[in-house]
Amino acid sequence: AQTVTQSQPEMSVQEAETVTLSCTYDTSESDYYLFWYKQPPSRQMILVIRQEAYKQQNATENRFSVNFQKAAKSFSLKISDSQLGDAAMYFCAYRSGLGGSTLGRLYFGRGTQLTVWP
Amino acid sequence: DTEVTQTPKHLVMGMTNKKSLKCEQHMGHRAMYWYKQKAKKPPELMFVYSYEKLSINESVPSRFSPECPNSSLLNLHLHALQPEDSALYLCASSQDPRGGKAKNIQYFGAGTRLSVL
Repeated sequence: AQTVTQSQPEMSVQEAETVTLSCTYDTSESDYYLFWYKQPPSRQMILVIRQEAYKQQNATENRFSVNFQKAAKSFSLKISDSQLGDAAMYFCAYRSGLGGSTLGRLYFGRGTQLTVWP
Repeated sequence: DTEVTQTPKHLVMGMTNKKSLKCEQHMGHRAMYWYKQKAKKPPELMFVYSYEKLSINESVPSRFSPECPNSSLLNLHLHALQPEDSALYLCASSQDPRGGKAKNIQYFGAGTRLSVL
């Protein structure tokens, strides 16, 4: 099974500053997808951003961007101009691109708890 | 619309009770998932339904019984649960479970917070 590692259990950032959350993964596949999900205190899992492994260009969604290093198997999330509402648990997740029997299952990291200070 | 609706939001049950969790989506998705999540841990996959057929059972105890009556609805029937089963139960759906190259994003519901006394 694929493994996803988030080495930072907790991170904190000042409002309006930038923070980077780390994620590494281990796979022998060449076709896969990577995701960052956010889980605020409400516990709703919200998709923040996704990256297709075959795309060289890093994904960006407003204040959220990723640094995808395929050779290094690294997928970090950068949050710019941090806001109080960004405070949440962030999970990095991997999905195989093979389809078929994998049925789109996600492999999650252990999460990084982000605190945003006013 | 990317909404997955779960009911109830909260559930308290005794160890001898029978209860059910419900999950509904109207996005035309053909894969539906049940996850169990303990506090400060990632979600753990329990079941996957693909085209209304149970396709993955992650060795879940038989006191959890999933059901997919139609492509929009997923139930999780609970019977004789243990206190350690107390957790957040998340439902998710995705467009096409077989399509690896599709943008097969999983959309999650808000979860049911279950307490077993």
